[in-house]
Amino acid sequence: AQTVTQSQPEMSVQEAETVTLSCTYDTSENNYYLFWYKQPPSRQMILVIRQEAYKQQNATENRFSVNFQKAAKSFSLKISDSQLGDTAMYFCAFMTPNTNAGKSTFGDGTTLTVKP
Amino acid sequence: GAVVSQHPSRVICKSGTSVKIECRSLDFQATTMFWYRQFPKQSLMLMATSNEGSKATYEQGVEKDKFLINHASLTLSTLTVTSAHPEDSSFYICSARDFRGFQETQYFGPGTRLLVL
Repeated sequence: AQTVTQSQPEMSVQEAETVTLSCTYDTSENNYYLFWYKQPPSRQMILVIRQEAYKQQNATENRFSVNFQKAAKSFSLKISDSQLGDTAMYFCAFMTPNTNAGKSTFGDGTTLTVKP
Repeated sequence: GAVVSQHPSRVICKSGTSVKIECRSLDFQATTMFWYRQFPKQSLMLMATSNEGSKATYEQGVEKDKFLINHASLTLSTLTVTSAHPEDSSFYICSARDFRGFQETQYFGPGTRLLVL
């Protein structure tokens, strides 16, 4: 079974600064996907960034980037130039391809507060 | 990204009644949808996997007779909470897997707040 661990329950950052959220996972699969989702106070889950395990290049999406270390099974999220709207709960998720009838596994989440 | 809708967004019902929640993929076909339950400041708890044209797969500890799931088309899955009780009050979220472009991704609906009085 897969597990996802987010070791930082809460974090805070000053507006315009950079923050990194950590995520580690455990799996015996070789082919999988990793995601970061953002859940603001509205509770709508929003996809922030995705990474395919077979790709060595780290995914980036505007101010969001990941540091994917497959051997270490680590998948951290870096938010640059933090904005007040980034305040939310962030979930790291692991998903196996549907060919394996896989389900997603989520971490416990990190609550990020961006301070003005 | 893909869009998943969920209706209603909020429902209040009396104990003993049944409540149906709809989940729709608006711009893609979803052979697989998921239903989650989330308590405040906690992670998502998977309740069941909904597969189009077949029976849903329930997670351990989830009563299939209480939480009825129907995935009748490639764009619609429904969750019916039967004989609801106050302990069923929660935030329910559906999601759908998008396989377009060989980039499998899971997208979420906006959630339904259920309050059972």
